[in-house]
Amino acid sequence: EVQLVESGGGLVQPGGSLRLSCAASGFTFRNYWMTWFRQAPGKGLEWVANIKQDGSDTNYVDSVKGRFTISRDNGKNSLYLQMNSLRAEDTAVYYCARDLSPIIRGVPLDAFDIWGQGTMVTVSS
Amino acid sequence: AIQMTQSPSSLSASVGDRVTITCRASQAIRSDLGWYQQKPGKAPKLLIYAASILQSGVPSRFSGSGSGTDFTLTISSLQPEDSATYYCLQDYDNPRTFGQGTKVEIK
Repeated sequence: EVQLVESGGGLVQPGGSLRLSCAASGFTFRNYWMTWFRQAPGKGLEWVANIKQDGSDTNYVDSVKGRFTISRDNGKNSLYLQMNSLRAEDTAVYYCARDLSPIIRGVPLDAFDIWGQGTMVTVSS
Repeated sequence: AIQMTQSPSSLSASVGDRVTITCRASQAIRSDLGWYQQKPGKAPKLLIYAASILQSGVPSRFSGSGSGTDFTLTISSLQPEDSATYYCLQDYDNPRTFGQGTKVEIK
């Protein structure tokens, strides 16, 4: 079965750190771009960061640049999100997702077809 | 960052109704847009990518159209299981950005 399973969420104090993991199974993990999303309680979805198949290219939303680091270990079929200097506004459910990256008219696009169940991160004193 | 303006923010319709949700980008994004459905407490589900390509396994009552700055998600005949929040997501540039969502309720 193709699936993604997140772990590592929890309660952390402002300024603290947390490392999220996303375990992939049922597909060839190293062949896909991977992405982290988040959703604050009662709010909409937000794209957080993505990483290329070999880890050589990463991108971040401005609000987490310099604080969060996305990485992957293709040997362990795992995606990570290291979150430092956490703030109250980082409180959210964090999802990892696989990007099909279909090539349409010669252009690689996004299509997030497999999502994890989410892991909750709460930043509070 | 590219802003995505989605409308309406919510709607209520009857089973069998035709429902249209629109998304407008703050700049031209070709056809680099996807639509996602999210039910409470669940992860989002891919419906449409590249503005109009139906994801495998998604019912054909869902369709997408548009290019440039204006995009539409249409549900041709609303079903009870379509009660959810729908989001557009541009993938033309980083950071990717979502519309604010449209909550669809069944009357």
